[in-house]
Amino acid sequence: GENVEQHPSTLSVQEGDSAVIKCTYSDSASNYFPWYKQELGKRPQLIIDIRSNVGEKKDQRIAVTLNKTAKHFSLHITETQPEDSAVYFCAASISFGNQFYFGTGTSLTVIP
Amino acid sequence: GAVVSQHPSWVICKSGTSVKIECRSLDFQATTMFWYRQFPKQSLMLMATSNEGSKATYEQGVEKDKFLINHASLTLSTLTVTSAHPEDSSFYICSALRGSSYNEQFFGPGTRLTVL
Repeated sequence: GENVEQHPSTLSVQEGDSAVIKCTYSDSASNYFPWYKQELGKRPQLIIDIRSNVGEKKDQRIAVTLNKTAKHFSLHITETQPEDSAVYFCAASISFGNQFYFGTGTSLTVIP
Repeated sequence: GAVVSQHPSWVICKSGTSVKIECRSLDFQATTMFWYRQFPKQSLMLMATSNEGSKATYEQGVEKDKFLINHASLTLSTLTVTSAHPEDSSFYICSALRGSSYNEQFFGPGTRLTVL
């Protein structure tokens, strides 16, 4: 099955700085890569996603890049704010409707 | 749109009893729902894939006789933890897939299960 690794497990940045979280996956058949933000005690929320036919996607301060050859994808948050503090999970899915496999999560702390 | 509810939000039960958790997609139909388990400060662990009208597909290491899943309609999937033990205490989250060509996954709020 698919194996998703995520780094770092914890990340602290100063407000206004950028944060980068990286994930690798093992199955080249994976074609959908969402990122979720989970605040303490709450459900994961989709913040951005990318499909295998695209190399980069941006939504305001958040961007995701995908390198299919190397089988890795990254989340970039610019101009971080304290409300960005949360646990972020990457995931990979093999074909539409199939299971999602999650990374181990990154606890991001933005220091005011 | 794309709201998924889960009931109950928390439950405490005695060891040996069974607990049923419901997952509903409120404003869309979901042929596929997933059940996850999450331990404190850890990632979501996929337990099983629930498909409407057919048997659930369980991940390796998940006991299908202990975690019974029923996806009786396009808006409802249930997870029953049978003969619960303290080690079953966890946060259980369901999710529902919306659409046929997109793989958008929407999560329920989770159910905190505590087995005494």
